[in-house]
Amino acid sequence: EPEVTQTPSHQVTQMGQEVILRCVPISNHLYFYWYRQILGQKVEFLVSFYNNEISEKSEIFDDQFSVERPDGSNFTLKIRSTKLEDSAMYFCASSPGGRGDTQYFGPGTRLTVL
Amino acid sequence: EDQVTQSPEALRLQEGESSSLNCSYTVSGLRGLFWYRQDPGKGPEFLFTLYSAGEEKEKERLKATLTKKESFLHITAPKPEDSATYLCAVNSGGYQKVTFGTGTKLQVIP
Repeated sequence: EPEVTQTPSHQVTQMGQEVILRCVPISNHLYFYWYRQILGQKVEFLVSFYNNEISEKSEIFDDQFSVERPDGSNFTLKIRSTKLEDSAMYFCASSPGGRGDTQYFGPGTRLTVL
Repeated sequence: EDQVTQSPEALRLQEGESSSLNCSYTVSGLRGLFWYRQDPGKGPEFLFTLYSAGEEKEKERLKATLTKKESFLHITAPKPEDSATYLCAVNSGGYQKVTFGTGTKLQVIP
């Protein structure tokens, strides 16, 4: 069964450093997403991506964040200058279509900012 | 803004003791209600999608139902391996984002 994959599983970085989180969505899906979950809190939406552009973003997704689909399979989230409060689990998801379609999540990347 | 409230926050059951988890939602134009299972340190694992009031879906010991204001996840004769956090989420209106509740942490004791 196709699944979303993410690398790395755990990333440790120093405050102020740039990090890139990588995802391979399910191959025939057209919509891609990033969510985050701070320890003990609920899963929060960051951004959605369709047809090579951002289609929706939350207030959390400020200028420090960017997303890219550099090739036909990968989808990345970049945080330019990490802060302590960026420490969280980051989940990539994908769906065949947009509104109302089931989103399938990856296993997550645990980001720890020191 | 969409709101999702799950209850109870935690539930402890004996193996074989059936129960229900509740998800109340407030949205403008529901497009889909989703149930996921999340194990510690893992990503949400898809269980069910419901689209309209009256709809029901089943998978093994789990059954999800939907009304205009809430959804229930019924667990029949649970086993220890059903222990996890169960997340409810909604998609509505013109949005692509999914809004999650805080989850119900289920523990099934042998």
